[in-house]
Amino acid sequence: EAQVTQNPRYLITVTGKKLTVTCSQNMNHEYMSWYRQDPGLGLRQIYYSMNVEVTDKGDVPEGYKVSRKEKRNFPLILESPSPNQTSLYFCASFGRRISYNEQFFGPGTRLTVL
Amino acid sequence: SQQGEEDPQALSIQEGENATMNCSYKTSINNLQWYRQNSGRGLVHLILIRSNEREKHSGRLRVTLDTSKKSSSLLITASRAADTASYFCATDEGSNYKLTFGKGTLLTVNP
Repeated sequence: EAQVTQNPRYLITVTGKKLTVTCSQNMNHEYMSWYRQDPGLGLRQIYYSMNVEVTDKGDVPEGYKVSRKEKRNFPLILESPSPNQTSLYFCASFGRRISYNEQFFGPGTRLTVL
Repeated sequence: SQQGEEDPQALSIQEGENATMNCSYKTSINNLQWYRQNSGRGLVHLILIRSNEREKHSGRLRVTLDTSKKSSSLLITASRAADTASYFCATDEGSNYKLTFGKGTLLTVNP
């Protein structure tokens, strides 16, 4: 089944404790992206990657890092999480050859930083 | 920045009625997409309309695009309780790699 998976789905952590949210897609998509969703603010793009080893900042990259060493994986790293990073995070991917710009979303990771 | 802005923010209707949601945007686009999100879950792509298209249909969905007014509408006909969800429009800004989402319309369909 074609899908985007994220782990963990739920995470409660404390300020300053480094964490990684994994994202993996099995559709051989070139493009992957991370969004955060907050009440009243909608979805905002954090980082995106156009292909392996190619990443770029979205609208709200501060406090986050990403890497794209393999085509299928695009982990989101919070080196020193803070309470303002409490949010619902989504990973998404799309392949240009298949469906122009239609993005496939993972199920979400709900992060709470205390 | 938020490109697409949906209107209304919330809409409550009875099963069987039609639901119309609107989206306005600010800059030129290549295409506009609509997504649905059930509570707390991932977004699901519904339909894409290109900038040179004016109307598109998919099942009970009808999307229109007016590039002169920089607006789009999503019509769901004969709504069902299962259509209860948040609906987002998303626009690209020419880069083809970046989608900008609006804040969404929360649709509630009462049985």
